[in-house]
Amino acid sequence: DQQVKQNSPSLSVQEGRISILNCDYTNSMFDYFLWYKKYPAEGPTFLISISSIKDKNEDGRFTVFLNKSAKHLSLHIVPSQPGDSAVYFCAARNTNAGKSTFGDGTTLTVKP
Amino acid sequence: DARVTQTPRHKVTEMGQEVTMRCQPILGHNTVFWYRQTMMQGLELLAYFRNRAPLDDSGMPKDRFSAEMPDATLATLKIQPSEPRDSAVYFCASGLGQEDTDTQYFGPGTRLTVL
Repeated sequence: DQQVKQNSPSLSVQEGRISILNCDYTNSMFDYFLWYKKYPAEGPTFLISISSIKDKNEDGRFTVFLNKSAKHLSLHIVPSQPGDSAVYFCAARNTNAGKSTFGDGTTLTVKP
Repeated sequence: DARVTQTPRHKVTEMGQEVTMRCQPILGHNTVFWYRQTMMQGLELLAYFRNRAPLDDSGMPKDRFSAEMPDATLATLKIQPSEPRDSAVYFCASGLGQEDTDTQYFGPGTRLTVL
């Protein structure tokens, strides 16, 4: 039973446009959510996070939205740049459990 | 520039051989995670340590996999005997162990190929 799902394996957008990556979760005990970015031959790196007490967190071009009732979060990248091309992992955790559960990732390609 | 280091970066071995992967967490971090990434299953948590004590290894095949932290600067993941289905990229990550906002810092991974 996969508790964190990224239903789109890949996404392609034009440079300058908005990229929207989606993530759904099933465990209502999750109360903290993170996005990681991964380039080929490198480990994932932390990008942005959001606590369940918020519905939005913004950091520069990156914004994460959380809809607790729908158990859904999304990452918006505006404007998208070719350097954003990478695999994006959604992760969720219960702060009492100490570990994160990751989705399978979405490969974003930003075309010049 | 503090980073998680992993050795070896690449390993090719034959079925049945023992494989040991090593990880040096960031100095001061008290949580260490081992993940496996395959084409089919994304990032899969294998084991999780806090203050060198194993807290969760439910994701790890117990009959052939073992994870240890001999000291605070070294974590090891061992496979004995290795099988072709173990071929994957193995990532180590470390964190400060903050309950709510803890983020993980990943190493570059060990790409394992079992023939």
